[in-house]
Amino acid sequence: DQQVKQNSPSLSVQEGRISILNCDYTNSMFDYFLWYKKYPAEGPTFLISISSIKDKNEDGRFTVFLNKSAKHLSLHIVPSQPGDSAVYFCAASDAGRRALTFGSGTRLQVQP
Amino acid sequence: DAGVIQSPRHEVTEMGQEVTLRCKPISGHNSLFWYRQTMMRGLELLIYFNNNVPIDDSGMPEDRFSAKMPNASFSTLKIQPSEPRDSAVYFCASSTPTSLEQYFGPGTRLTVT
Repeated sequence: DQQVKQNSPSLSVQEGRISILNCDYTNSMFDYFLWYKKYPAEGPTFLISISSIKDKNEDGRFTVFLNKSAKHLSLHIVPSQPGDSAVYFCAASDAGRRALTFGSGTRLQVQP
Repeated sequence: DAGVIQSPRHEVTEMGQEVTLRCKPISGHNSLFWYRQTMMRGLELLIYFNNNVPIDDSGMPEDRFSAKMPNASFSTLKIQPSEPRDSAVYFCASSTPTSLEQYFGPGTRLTVT
């Protein structure tokens, strides 16, 4: 039973355009959400996070939106750059358990 | 800061052999996590430690897997005996006492033939 789902295995966008990566979750106990980026042969790198008390968090070109009623979050990258090409993982945590539950990842390809 | 350090980066072994993976967390981080990444199951938690004490080992697949954290700067994940289905990339991550953000090491790619 996947508690964190990333239904799009891949996404291709043009350089300079917006990339939108989506994530759904089923566990209503999750109260903190994170996005990680992963390049081949490297470990996941933390990108941005959001607490369940917020609906938006922004950091430079990256913005995460949280819709608690829909149990849905998204990562927006504007403008997209070729160096953003990587696999993006959505992860979630609940207050009582520090471990993260990860989605299956979305491979983003930014075309020059 | 050096980040999370894992060794070895690659390990190839034969079925039945003992495998030991090592991790050095970021200094000052009191939580340490072991994850495994496979094509079939993605990134899944195996075990995590808080202040060197195992808190949740529900993800450890079976008794062949064991993990220790003898001090704040070192942890091991041992598989004995290893099996081909253990082939995966094993990641170690650490976090501070006040943050849920985890910082990952580069991983150990294990191949069991």
